Amino acid sequence: DAMVIQNPRYQVTQFGKPVTLSCSQTLNHNVMYWYQQKSSQAPKLLFHYYDKDFNNEADTPDNFQSRRPNTSFCFLDIRSPGLGDAAMYLCATSRAGGRGPTDTQYFGPGTRLTVL
Amino acid sequence: GDSVTQMEGPVTLSEEAFLTINCTYTATGYPSLFWYVQYPGEGLQLLLKATKADDKGSNKGFEATYRKETTSFHLEKGSVQVSDSAVYFCALGTGTASKLTFGTGTRLQVTL
Repeated sequence: DAMVIQNPRYQVTQFGKPVTLSCSQTLNHNVMYWYQQKSSQAPKLLFHYYDKDFNNEADTPDNFQSRRPNTSFCFLDIRSPGLGDAAMYLCATSRAGGRGPTDTQYFGPGTRLTVL
Repeated sequence: GDSVTQMEGPVTLSEEAFLTINCTYTATGYPSLFWYVQYPGEGLQLLLKATKADDKGSNKGFEATYRKETTSFHLEKGSVQVSDSAVYFCALGTGTASKLTFGTGTRLQVTL
């Protein structure tokens, strides 16, 4: 089945120690998104790749970076995690860019990050 | 800017009760509207969507109608089950990158 895969499902890191979360997709979608979701809140978009073009949200801290080496994979790098970065991180994809209605975003299961 | 307002939860219902979760939106242009569901510890799953005025999205007994005149997209189900217990997010999508604006989410708890 075509899907969005996130690894690992659970990640524990230490305060200030860089961490990388990964996302892969078999949907061949051209847009990939990273969201941060804290407990009992809506997902907050951090950035997205439209094909190879990186688009950062205005309020995303510099501590968060992303890489997309090819269509299928996208990585979220947190350079110096703080306690406030503990959250669920969600990856999503869509086939966007046509003139039709907004296409559906398909989400992965998420990676829960704990910062000690 | 675009925004979505959802009724606050938690909503607690007995099994087989009727469900309504209200959702209204503000947007420029002609957004698509979505309901996503999130079960504990999981990502978001698309429940249903509608892409233009008067469209009705439906799935698994849930329905929502895109009402442009009232800028609403209320979620309904005639008879809820315990397995429907989850958080429901209303969202609107716009732009060539299909970016989503989410509501705050409504937690539904269904009891026997």
